[in-house]
Amino acid sequence: LAKTTQPISMDSYEGQEVNITCSHNNIATNDYITWYQQFPSQGPRFIIQGYKTKVTNEVASLFIPADRKSSTLSLPRVSLSDTAVYYCLVGWNTGGFKTIFGAGTRLFVKA
Amino acid sequence: KAGVTQTPRYLIKTRGQQVTLSCSPISGHRSVSWYQQTPGQGLQFLFEYFSETQRNKGNFPGRFSGRQFSNSRSEMNVSTLELGDSALYLCASSLGGAGDEQYFGPGTRLTVT
Repeated sequence: LAKTTQPISMDSYEGQEVNITCSHNNIATNDYITWYQQFPSQGPRFIIQGYKTKVTNEVASLFIPADRKSSTLSLPRVSLSDTAVYYCLVGWNTGGFKTIFGAGTRLFVKA
Repeated sequence: KAGVTQTPRYLIKTRGQQVTLSCSPISGHRSVSWYQQTPGQGLQFLFEYFSETQRNKGNFPGRFSGRQFSNSRSEMNVSTLELGDSALYLCASSLGGAGDEQYFGPGTRLTVT
């Protein structure tokens, strides 16, 4: 099973770019890398997903090196409302979709 | 379109009782996954259902079970409740393909006393 490791917490200031790195040394060929955001008392919300290289959407970028043993979520110009827990997860298809969430990174954005 | 809904939102039970939680996925989604979230263990995968069949299962005891109906709605049952079952139970739906984005519901907060 591909286990993920993330920093427990990070602090940032409004307007800064935040990069959160996730390690997944045992990632398998079929695994996707997905990041979710979770606010207190809410279910996680999808941010971005990638398989290799770089993926960008309207809220974030995901950088995946060639060996895929890590990935970095990049949040440009964070605001106070980006204060949340960010989960890196690695999932694969074994006839279904089984996901393993990491411990999450608690991001605190300060004014 | 409507999001994932879960009922009830809050529940208090006593040890030894059983509980059934319900999840209605987004229309058209055939996959429903269940997760348990606790402060100590984080988000843990329970099981996934696709077209009424359990496709994947996490490492939880047999007291945790589920099912999915033909309209993709899913129920999760926990029998012989223990204090450690107190948690936020989250349901997520997706179209069902590998790597598909999952849409989570607001969760059911279960407290076992």
